[in-house]
Amino acid sequence: AQTVTQSQPEMSVQEAETVTLSCTYDTSESDYYLFWYKQPPSRQMILVIRQEAYKQQNATENRFSVNFQKAAKSFSLKISDSQLGDAAMYFCAYTNSNYQLIWGAGTKLIIKP
Amino acid sequence: NAGVMQNPRHLVRRRGQEARLRCSPMKGHSHVYWYRQLPEEGLKFMVYLQKENIIDESGMPKERFSAEFPKEGPSILRIQQVVRGDSAAYFCASSRLGGTAYEQYFGPGTRLTVT
Repeated sequence: AQTVTQSQPEMSVQEAETVTLSCTYDTSESDYYLFWYKQPPSRQMILVIRQEAYKQQNATENRFSVNFQKAAKSFSLKISDSQLGDAAMYFCAYTNSNYQLIWGAGTKLIIKP
Repeated sequence: NAGVMQNPRHLVRRRGQEARLRCSPMKGHSHVYWYRQLPEEGLKFMVYLQKENIIDESGMPKERFSAEFPKEGPSILRIQQVVRGDSAAYFCASSRLGGTAYEQYFGPGTRLTVT
């Protein structure tokens, strides 16, 4: 079965500090894409970063970067210099060959001023 | 560029009524996906459609739920005889082409409340 697991229901970080959100997934496919989405209180789903499984280089988008460990099926998100606007639910997701996005349960990120 | 539009944003229905949720994909996008989000959970895939075709409905409940994406007009997710368990946020996403490489852009969601 294809699953995505986010083991941290909630994380908190001091403003300007760095936080890492964990995600593991299970798949038998060799070619796939991984995503981190952010859902603020407005509930709009916003793409934060994506990673192609065939690329060894970790994706980076400004203060957001991933640590992609394909063999371990791990895909963690690192947020540097945390800002108050980063407070949201963060979802890890995986696209399978059927084009479905398979989602984790989410991690609530709290930013302490 | 207008993003993915969903309406209504909030919908309240009594048990037994019908709910119709609409999704207009981004301009130039011909692929639409519907997801459901229950409280405190991630999204769950429901159905994937192209214009006039249902490509994958493996996530749709077998009864009461249907979806369409006509040649003209928005995609419609229809829930007949709603029950309290249908209360959730329903998200629509669209992509320019199908396939794992093409990013899905999400609408703001429709929050359905069944009383």
